[in-house]
Amino acid sequence: QAVLTQPASLSASPGASASLTCTLRSGINVDAYRIYWYQQKPGSPPQYLLRYKSDSDKRLGSGVPSRFSGSKDGSANAGILLISGLQSEDEADYYCTVWHNGGWVFGGGTKLTVL
Amino acid sequence: EVHLVESGGGLVQPGGSLRLSCAASGFTFSDHYMDWLRQAPGKGLEWVGRIRNKFSSYTRDYAASVKGRITISRDDSKNLVYLQLNSLKSEDTAVYYCARGHLHSSTWSEDVFDFWGQGTMVTVSS
Repeated sequence: QAVLTQPASLSASPGASASLTCTLRSGINVDAYRIYWYQQKPGSPPQYLLRYKSDSDKRLGSGVPSRFSGSKDGSANAGILLISGLQSEDEADYYCTVWHNGGWVFGGGTKLTVL
Repeated sequence: EVHLVESGGGLVQPGGSLRLSCAASGFTFSDHYMDWLRQAPGKGLEWVGRIRNKFSSYTRDYAASVKGRITISRDDSKNLVYLQLNSLKSEDTAVYYCARGHLHSSTWSEDVFDFWGQGTMVTVSS
């Protein structure tokens, strides 16, 4: 089982909110991890969005709109990227990553479609 | 403005080697760890390895998928970081990115991969 699991795809309407999940493997407690999120558009390198460990340990990347925020769902053992007020330009692939067992591990990515 | 520019990609035969370079500018290079990541065509991101800075004794961490075949080095006098990968396999075919890692000097930053290069394509094929 992968360390981080992301849904392959998600669709949402313009103006709505989208909640992208990054679920940690059973036995790995999300509370202990700082989760990082990246956005990648076709043909471009990823861009740093934010990191979130707790409400007192979080940071939005430079120039990233405040529409992007991070949180956790302890009951689901997952990190969450929330995008509010969806815009067409938010259509992209989104990746989460954590430092685990001596290396950076990425989720498989979620393709967000805004339609 | 931070810039990272990779070079050295191309077509390599199976079993061969590659050496990629990443030129950095716009920040104090010596204060940062530097990482290499890759993305196979149509696939997700994979971290390959990193080299810490002088403050952290230039130690290295490598992904299990490449351990034993990889060497990452850096030249702080030239703001360059290198990736050497040997015994190449078809599954090493990917766009290789360098990315800025943690800041570690008199301060520490938890931010990581906050800047990326445009990537360089490596194709392993006969």
